[in-house]
Amino acid sequence: DSGVTQTPKHLITATGQRVTLRCSPRSGDLSVYWYQQSLDQGLQFLIQYYNGEERAKGNILERFSAQQFPDLHSELNLSSLELGDSALYFCASSTALAGMETQYFGPGTRLLVL
Amino acid sequence: GQQVMQIPQYQHVQEGEDFTTYCNSSTTLSNIQWYKQRPGGHPVFLIQLVKSGEVKKQKRLTFQFGEAKKNSSLHITATQTTDVGTYFCAVTGNQFYFGTGTSLTVIP
Repeated sequence: DSGVTQTPKHLITATGQRVTLRCSPRSGDLSVYWYQQSLDQGLQFLIQYYNGEERAKGNILERFSAQQFPDLHSELNLSSLELGDSALYFCASSTALAGMETQYFGPGTRLLVL
Repeated sequence: GQQVMQIPQYQHVQEGEDFTTYCNSSTTLSNIQWYKQRPGGHPVFLIQLVKSGEVKKQKRLTFQFGEAKKNSSLHITATQTTDVGTYFCAVTGNQFYFGTGTSLTVIP
């Protein structure tokens, strides 16, 4: 158990819909990262937040957005869902902002778009 | 942008054989991390390498950072069925890059 929690574990929805994935970092971790893992794309970095502020942005679509709240939990919002958005979404957390801190991954949310 | 190539993509070995995966970057790296993801699981941090030519060992796992800090390798001696999973290298640039991963299958 990494100490990072993600809800829900599984999500099935239809194209065009909007979903919210939730992540609670390890106690004391200020950085939260979101990743998308699909069979043909590997582990793709989406976005990082540090203490409530966006710090780094990866291959995140405009249909996707995220935020980190004062209690440090984070949400990833996926809208206008397409079949290709079906994937495993991981959240990870780390203690610090700079350098390459160890990232602790949550169990993931498996999203299936039908 | 940062490119991290990892080879091989898949590797099947007999239990007891050795295994090596390589991570190659187009640019000089400040550091590199290795993660393991078991089937159905999430990535788990294994180790971080920082210095040129650095070698670190964890039991049967040996991690190496190239002298030019552009490549790294993970070597497993005498594989066991518990070694099954996908091994990723990870680097930072202006974002975080994970290698494509090497999926290891160990045949008992």
